[in-house]
Amino acid sequence: GAVVSQHPSWVICKSGTSVKIECRSLDFQATTMFWYRQFPKQSLMLMATSNEGSKATYEQGVEKDKFLINHASLTLSTLTVTSAHPEDSSFYICSARGQNTEAFFGQGTRLTVV
Amino acid sequence: DAKTTQPTSMDCAEGRAANLPCNHSTISGNEYVYWYRQIHSQGPQYIIHGLKNNETNEMASLIITEDRKSSTLILPHATLRDTAVYYCIVRVLQDAGKSTFGDGTTLTVKP
Repeated sequence: GAVVSQHPSWVICKSGTSVKIECRSLDFQATTMFWYRQFPKQSLMLMATSNEGSKATYEQGVEKDKFLINHASLTLSTLTVTSAHPEDSSFYICSARGQNTEAFFGQGTRLTVV
Repeated sequence: DAKTTQPTSMDCAEGRAANLPCNHSTISGNEYVYWYRQIHSQGPQYIIHGLKNNETNEMASLIITEDRKSSTLILPHATLRDTAVYYCIVRVLQDAGKSTFGDGTTLTVKP
């Protein structure tokens, strides 16, 4: 299947700082990217959907000013967790979809806020 | 997305077939059945999907009942590396990537 890469795989940051997570589609053009969050022992929860060149659509309950999503190119989307706090510690996963293709998931980024 | 129901956990002996059931009694006519799995601390991995015909690929087989209200994912020769959480999702084709994940089935393959 197609390759979606996330960077970093894990990150530890201090409370109050911001963290940027990158999601890249390596061998196809991703017209749409999705960001999920997964807390320990829970399932994945969709946070937002982003289409290249337009503003992201956030799911109910997800703060758009806290979780900034940029999808400036067909191969890159970024999620920035602003003013991170310990409760934001989670496993963040992106998926990417091309035109008329199945979506593929990245390997995930484990964020720990201390 | 139609709701799905899966057993919480299952065990399977290494080398044997693993049969993972999924109920989706409210599936709509244009909704596909998708299966993903998530190995610990990794992103979900696509396995297979189908509409109404049985499907097979290098990873697994998907058997969908004639009324489409349930399906079974078959891993023909389970290995220890198949230990994972398996998610059954039903959705329309256009919503690829935008999935509602339930709790899935934790499959443990034992030696």
